[in-house]
Amino acid sequence: GAGVSQSPRYKVAKRGQDVALRCDPISGHVSLFWYQQALGQGPEFLTYFQNEAQLDKSGLPSDRFFAERPEGSVSTLKIQRTQQEDSAVYLCASSFSRDYEQYFGPGTRLTVT
Amino acid sequence: GQQVMQIPQYQHVQEGEDFTTYCNSSTTLSNIQWYKQRPGGHPVFLIQLVKSGEVKKQKRLTFQFGEAKKNSSLHITATQTTDVGTYFCAVGSGGGADGLTFGKGTHLIIQP
Repeated sequence: GAGVSQSPRYKVAKRGQDVALRCDPISGHVSLFWYQQALGQGPEFLTYFQNEAQLDKSGLPSDRFFAERPEGSVSTLKIQRTQQEDSAVYLCASSFSRDYEQYFGPGTRLTVT
Repeated sequence: GQQVMQIPQYQHVQEGEDFTTYCNSSTTLSNIQWYKQRPGGHPVFLIQLVKSGEVKKQKRLTFQFGEAKKNSSLHITATQTTDVGTYFCAVGSGGGADGLTFGKGTHLIIQP
């Protein structure tokens, strides 16, 4: 089966624009995670879904960040009024269950100009 | 949440030399995972260690989990150019966030 897919792969946004990043997890994976990875750093946790329930959003850096997974499959990470500091790679990962190995998508590289 | 310190940050080796990266925590870990990220790629799961003193091998890679479950290491024997990338340890955040907390990674650079 296919792995985790993300779109778009690259996004350039002007400061102040809203962006929406999409993640298609592996079919049947209950758990879905979003991470933010700055250049040369490790991924940093943003939010976690179990099916459609967002169980943890403690890593979201501000209220401009919003994530949803309405049908327990595809997830969207939305960033409102983008700022330069939002420039990073946004990684989505899915797993069979929370404590199992995570399968990462290729990421979306967001550049805010 | 839990934090892990990973050293070294960079490691230059000649092809054929061995390589080791270390991950340390001040608190006892329930488990630890290791991921590899190639340049321009995404993290790929390598292994999960759960038991105290556990040692697991994957071909030239040897993973260890300390007896106190506060540290872990990844050792690569006779590095090859395909081993280039960044190796991350990652731990669950315990009673805090549900996601993984990643170390800063060790960037392995191999000179042919």
